[in-house]
Amino acid sequence: AQSVTQLGSHVSVSEGALVLLRCNYSSSVPPYLFWYVQYPNQGLQLLLKYTSAATLVKGINGFEAEFKKSETSFHLTKPSAHMSDAAEYFCAVSGGSNYKLTFGKGTLLTVNP
Amino acid sequence: KAGVTQTPRYLIKTRGQQVTLSCSPISGHRSVSWYQQTPGQGLQFLFEYFSETQRNKGNFPGRFSGRQFSNSRSEMNVSTLELGDSALYLCASSSNPTMNTEAFFGQGTRLTVV
Repeated sequence: AQSVTQLGSHVSVSEGALVLLRCNYSSSVPPYLFWYVQYPNQGLQLLLKYTSAATLVKGINGFEAEFKKSETSFHLTKPSAHMSDAAEYFCAVSGGSNYKLTFGKGTLLTVNP
Repeated sequence: KAGVTQTPRYLIKTRGQQVTLSCSPISGHRSVSWYQQTPGQGLQFLFEYFSETQRNKGNFPGRFSGRQFSNSRSEMNVSTLELGDSALYLCASSSNPTMNTEAFFGQGTRLTVV
């Protein structure tokens, strides 16, 4: 079985500040990990994915995430927040032969001017 | 390249009715998955289809069903609607059934049951 825990359902930062969204996973098989972003009344857009090629993964819009097997973590970061980053962010895991994504509960990011 | 298209975008139904939602995947994608998103339960997997075959099903009652056609378009049906079925239903398509292939999501169908 696989699971994802996102620490903090709501994170608030100031514009220009570091963004850190936390994700821990549990998987009995080597995991594939993803971060998605959802804007209001929209579907999910892929930010980045980890597929074992490199532990530091760069994504779109300046986001990156680091896979740490020893900590079973895949935290999402961005050095400088922009107002347009305000959205809900979801960490997800897949693996094995179940052909599905298991999502965390999501973290709502607010960016203050 | 057109994205994943879900129709309709919004739907209002009465308890006890049934509803059918449609999803057209990205051209060339053969895997289609459905997810239910609610404020309380978050994103939950409903089922996944590949080449017209259901390969995996989530933990939902039998009132939730789906199918995939030969052109990879998919439909999901919910019968005997309950108030708790109100949710955003998201469809995702993938080009390859391996685990490291990302899923591309549609904008969803917002179902309200009254």
